[in-house]
Amino acid sequence: DAGVTQSPTHLIKTRGQQVTLRCSPKSGHDTVSWYQQALGQGPQFIFQYYEEEERQRGNFPDRFSGHQYPNYSSELNVNALLLGDSALYLCASSFLDRGTNEQFFGPGTRLTVL
Amino acid sequence: LAKTTQPISMDSYEGQEVNITCSHNNIATNDYITWYQQFPSQGPRFIIQGYKTKVTNEVASLFIPADRKSSTLSLPRVSLSDTAVYYCLVGNQGGKLIFGQGTELSVKP
Repeated sequence: DAGVTQSPTHLIKTRGQQVTLRCSPKSGHDTVSWYQQALGQGPQFIFQYYEEEERQRGNFPDRFSGHQYPNYSSELNVNALLLGDSALYLCASSFLDRGTNEQFFGPGTRLTVL
Repeated sequence: LAKTTQPISMDSYEGQEVNITCSHNNIATNDYITWYQQFPSQGPRFIIQGYKTKVTNEVASLFIPADRKSSTLSLPRVSLSDTAVYYCLVGNQGGKLIFGQGTELSVKP
């Protein structure tokens, strides 16, 4: 089992561009959550997907959108990039109804906006 | 959602027991207490979760007093590889995780 995988590892974009980040969950997991981690800060929850629907959302603007596919993999899309969007983007997978707060995180995608 | 407060940093030496305390005065009845560990440039890793009293696994112990307004993560006999940021979280199971600043633990030889 490869665990949670994310692509790409690193990405450099310029302001105003759009970006798509990808995540493959741990085998068997049905729920994918996305987090943004700025340098020196704890991860901040963006949103969570379950059964291809956005189940919960954090305090992020509509520029941040996502998708979950039938195979549970997920994408995070960010439009109209701002300098402040530079961060490590983390994907985490889990079972929704297993009675635990245990989420398995991927290594993240480092996004730099110039 | 309950807010957590934990020390920003701690220092320890190899072989010592480390206790990191977290305050969560507004914890809700259905909230669980969860701890994560994060190494630089890696995603957080689940350590332990509990609701009340004491929970122990192969990595750590979690002590929760009866009022549940605080919790203590205990790491026995730390090594250099335990140098990391440790996050205390409270919340419902299966939902979003709310991370604070975390505690940066530095283990010295």
